[in-house]
Amino acid sequence: DAMVIQNPRYQVTQFGKPVTLSCSQTLNHNVMYWYQQKSSQAPKLLFHYYDKDFNNEADTPDNFQSRRPNTSFCFLDIRSPGLGDAAMYLCATSRVGGINEQFFGPGTRLTVL
Amino acid sequence: SQQGEEDPQALSIQEGENATMNCSYKTSINNLQWYRQNSGRGLVHLILIRSNEREKHSGRLRVTLDTSKKSSSLLITASRAADTASYFCATADTGGFKTIFGAGTRLFVKA
Repeated sequence: DAMVIQNPRYQVTQFGKPVTLSCSQTLNHNVMYWYQQKSSQAPKLLFHYYDKDFNNEADTPDNFQSRRPNTSFCFLDIRSPGLGDAAMYLCATSRVGGINEQFFGPGTRLTVL
Repeated sequence: SQQGEEDPQALSIQEGENATMNCSYKTSINNLQWYRQNSGRGLVHLILIRSNEREKHSGRLRVTLDTSKKSSSLLITASRAADTASYFCATADTGGFKTIFGAGTRLFVKA
């Protein structure tokens, strides 16, 4: 089945230790998104890729970076995680931006010690 | 910045009752979408309504959109315990790439 896969499902890192979260898709969608979701809050868009074009949200901290080496994969790098970065990170894809529905992965729960 | 605001924040009903959730937004939109999220999981798309549509149905779901009031509602009829989840509205701007989620309504359906 076509889907969005996130690895790992749970990630524990230490304060200040870089961490990379992974997302892959078999849907062949043009657009891939990364969201941060804290407990009982709405998902907050960090950035998205339309093909290779990277679009950063104005309020996304510099600590967060992303890479999309090919259509299928997208990575979220947190260079120096702080305690406030503990959250669920959701990857999503869509065919053509927000005009079509987004397909979400199961998320990666990040814990920062 | 948050686009959509939803009410109620939380809703508790008995199985078999209808559940209505409301969403308001601030700017012009291309479409409005509703998503469901089970605890600790990703979001699942439920229904999309375009800005030129007023009402849409999908199974037990009914969505309305009033662009003059910048509001939408999601009605779940004959609710089931399995409908227990958080429900989010999300708006796509006229550019089409950016989807902004509301704060969500937590629905609890008691068996």
